[in-house]
Amino acid sequence: DAKTTQPTSMDCAEGRAANLPCNHSTISGNEYVYWYRQIHSQGPQYIIHGLKNNETNEMASLIITEDRKSSTLILPHATLRDTAVYYCIVSDYKLSFGAGTTVTVRA
Amino acid sequence: EAGVTQSPTHLIKTRGQQATLRCSPISGHTSVYWYQQALGLGLQFLLWYDEGEERNRGNFPPRFSGRQFPNYSSELNVNALELEDSALYLCASSFLTSGGAKNIQYFGAGTRLSVL
Repeated sequence: DAKTTQPTSMDCAEGRAANLPCNHSTISGNEYVYWYRQIHSQGPQYIIHGLKNNETNEMASLIITEDRKSSTLILPHATLRDTAVYYCIVSDYKLSFGAGTTVTVRA
Repeated sequence: EAGVTQSPTHLIKTRGQQATLRCSPISGHTSVYWYQQALGLGLQFLLWYDEGEERNRGNFPPRFSGRQFPNYSSELNVNALELEDSALYLCASSFLTSGGAKNIQYFGAGTRLSVL
């Protein structure tokens, strides 16, 4: 599976958009980009996934660059409940979780 | 619709004992995955079962084993427990699409195993 690189942590103001970057320069053609988040000691929660087109659902938007070497997860209006560790994963079947980005939403 | 359910929620064992953890996937899902998350560490892939067969395993010793039943539920067995086996064990399920390229996994709340 391709490796991903994410910032260790980031802060975000409540109500503002949170943009979480992820680099995956070794992604191969059949690998999807998945985003999950884990709120303290709970099971990871699926957020969104994409192959090459930008995607949006009720939770977030996913922007994938044309060369697919990086992506950005956008939480449009962050709330305190969005405080979590966010994982960017590139995979075909097995999910390899790195350290993720610890996102802290501040009031 | 019920999500992935795991039991028990907590499990306390002593060194050398065996632990059995159970997982019921989302209805219609045929694949079950097991992950270990030690305190303060990331999730480590343990095992993948699909249609009753073990498809892949992570870098864990053979005393970590499991199986998948005809109803797609699964159990994880850890033999000869060691102190460092203390962790949150997470189960996920998915329905593999053709070619397996898209594989959205949905996680349970986990079983916290404490080895004393």
